[in-house]
Amino acid sequence: ETGVTQSPTHLIKTRGQQVTLRCSSQSGHNTVSWYQQALGQGPQFIFQYYREEENGRGNFPPRFSGLQFPNYSSELNVNALELDDSALYLCASSPGQSYGYTFGSGTRLTVV
Amino acid sequence: KQEVTQIPAALSVPEGENLVLNCSFTDSAIYNLQWFRQDPGKGLTSLLLIQSSQREQTSGRLNASLDKSSGRSTLYIAASQPGDSATYLCAVRPGETSGSRLTFGEGTQLTVNP
Repeated sequence: ETGVTQSPTHLIKTRGQQVTLRCSSQSGHNTVSWYQQALGQGPQFIFQYYREEENGRGNFPPRFSGLQFPNYSSELNVNALELDDSALYLCASSPGQSYGYTFGSGTRLTVV
Repeated sequence: KQEVTQIPAALSVPEGENLVLNCSFTDSAIYNLQWFRQDPGKGLTSLLLIQSSQREQTSGRLNASLDKSSGRSTLYIAASQPGDSATYLCAVRPGETSGSRLTFGEGTQLTVNP
């Protein structure tokens, strides 16, 4: 098992810019989810993909979008960055409902 | 809407003490519950996964219990060590078949003093 890998580890962007965060899941993990974690809080669900289709979305605006690819990698795109988007972004994958989620080590995004 | 609460928010104990972290959830229609550990600025490490049909799971010095009907789970850490210092998060996975987002508590920040 190679685990879940996220890149980059840290990123600084200016308000109004766009950012793409990347995640590489384990082979066979058809479900991938993205979470946003503000300092001192629990992770908040952004959206989820199952076999390249979005099948769940949290309370985040449309400027948060994503993609999942056949090779178990995925992307989180955020347009028109705002200061409040500064957070740790976590990717998680799972092979099925009876299994737990495996998380990556996250991308720390700072918007200035 | 599922809500998850963790008590206490922070806990400081001397090394060697046994301790219990609490997690409660409002909707008992869950598929499973997962406990995670998070070191500062890092990702989440899975500790234990309990299916809704199970009462407890054990891994080394860790034991997690689940009482689905009352909406409660506890994480028991035996003989705590300074290396156990971290934030502990519990998360529930809903019972519906479509969409399986995790709902997290805010975490318990544990400090084990040498």
